[in-house]
Amino acid sequence: AQSVSQHNHHVILSEAASLELGCNYSYGGTVNLFWYVQYPGQHLQLLLKYFSGDPLVKGIKGFEAEFIKSKFSFNLRKPSVQWSDTAEYFCAVNAGNNRKLIWGLGTSLAVNP
Amino acid sequence: NAGVTQTPKFRILKIGQSMTLQCTQDMNHNYMYWYRQDPGMGLKLIYYSVGAGITDKGEVPNGYNVSRSTTEDFPLRLELAAPSQTSVYFCATGERMNTEAFFGQGTRLTVV
Repeated sequence: AQSVSQHNHHVILSEAASLELGCNYSYGGTVNLFWYVQYPGQHLQLLLKYFSGDPLVKGIKGFEAEFIKSKFSFNLRKPSVQWSDTAEYFCAVNAGNNRKLIWGLGTSLAVNP
Repeated sequence: NAGVTQTPKFRILKIGQSMTLQCTQDMNHNYMYWYRQDPGMGLKLIYYSVGAGITDKGEVPNGYNVSRSTTEDFPLRLELAAPSQTSVYFCATGERMNTEAFFGQGTRLTVV
């Protein structure tokens, strides 16, 4: 069965620290990849997505992610986090002809000022 | 454009009561989804629809029902509410298969 694994469940950083959140998926064919963010008390919003082309994808608010096909990974990065990045981050994958997104369990990020 | 609108935002139900969570979209998307979100459990798909008149079960459909009579509306019905249905419910839409999902603001439901 297709699955998505997010390695870090809780991350605590200080402002200006660098961030990398891991996401791995299990599917050998064509995938569409997404990172969503959920700020406290709000709904999920799209951070960035990868469908094809350049494997380094830039999203909103300075986030980027790199698709490494050989590692089945789509890690999220930000060079310098801010307190306002405190949120929950979800990786999601749409694989093959699947009509549904497969979701990771999420990573809770707390950034201390 | 409003995007995806969910009502109500909050609701407290007693065990055994029923209710309908409303979801309306003005994005003309064919795909619509209902998820529930529980702490530390991520998003679980309850039901989804690929167009008016077509619905299908997701991972956790028990205790819920849906209908899709129009492109715009995708209500979720809870019959005989149970404490296990205490959760935050999100409706989402997608233009087509393999595209990003757009979410509503959510409904926080408590069953007591």
